[in-house]
Amino acid sequence: GEDVEQSLFLSVREGDSSVINCTYTDSSSTYLYWYKQEPGAGLQLLTYIFSNMDMKQDQRLTVLLNKKDKHLSLRIADTQTGDSAIYFCAEKKNDYKLSFGAGTTVTVRA
Amino acid sequence: NAGVMQNPRHLVRRRGQEARLRCSPMKGHSHVYWYRQLPEEGLKFMVYLQKENIIDESGMPKERFSAEFPKEGPSILRIQQVVRGDSAAYFCASSPPWAGGSSGNTIYFGEGSWLTVV
Repeated sequence: GEDVEQSLFLSVREGDSSVINCTYTDSSSTYLYWYKQEPGAGLQLLTYIFSNMDMKQDQRLTVLLNKKDKHLSLRIADTQTGDSAIYFCAEKKNDYKLSFGAGTTVTVRA
Repeated sequence: NAGVMQNPRHLVRRRGQEARLRCSPMKGHSHVYWYRQLPEEGLKFMVYLQKENIIDESGMPKERFSAEFPKEGPSILRIQQVVRGDSAAYFCASSPPWAGGSSGNTIYFGEGSWLTVV
């Protein structure tokens, strides 16, 4: 199976919070990342968290890391239509290699 | 500071032709990575290069694919004799030199090159 797993789809009402979950396998991963990809576009780095942290907040984004369970989540507060995209979780293996999940497609409905 | 620049953004090739994808890293970045994204999948690591050196090519298919990062000029991902299964988005990423095993340096991605083989 994949090293990084995510649920494939999430539908959320505009103004609500979105929570995207991810599990990874490599307990030695030093950094974990969230990237956003809009249709036909590249990857935009949203945020990342160092493995010795359990939470990081950046404006509407909150990342929670449970290292014991190897679980990472991204919470988007006050979700807007512009947040509709695919969100990729990635773990950094060794010094440079990123291992990505298959992506969670977030659809924001009015 | 321009981001990671890739070209062409879209490329159509017939089966058997060659595809060349170019990547210019961010200013100050000396490390380049290529990833491939097949339809409806996540990105898969292909190769990691520094100037004139291939550091890790463990994700590269054994045949038809090659990558280089010359002393001058962009990094090139070359696919010879393309087949339909090569149709994918190819992403280049770059980073500055690593400060160590626990470096916080992040990896920035380009906009991608979409290859379609017909």
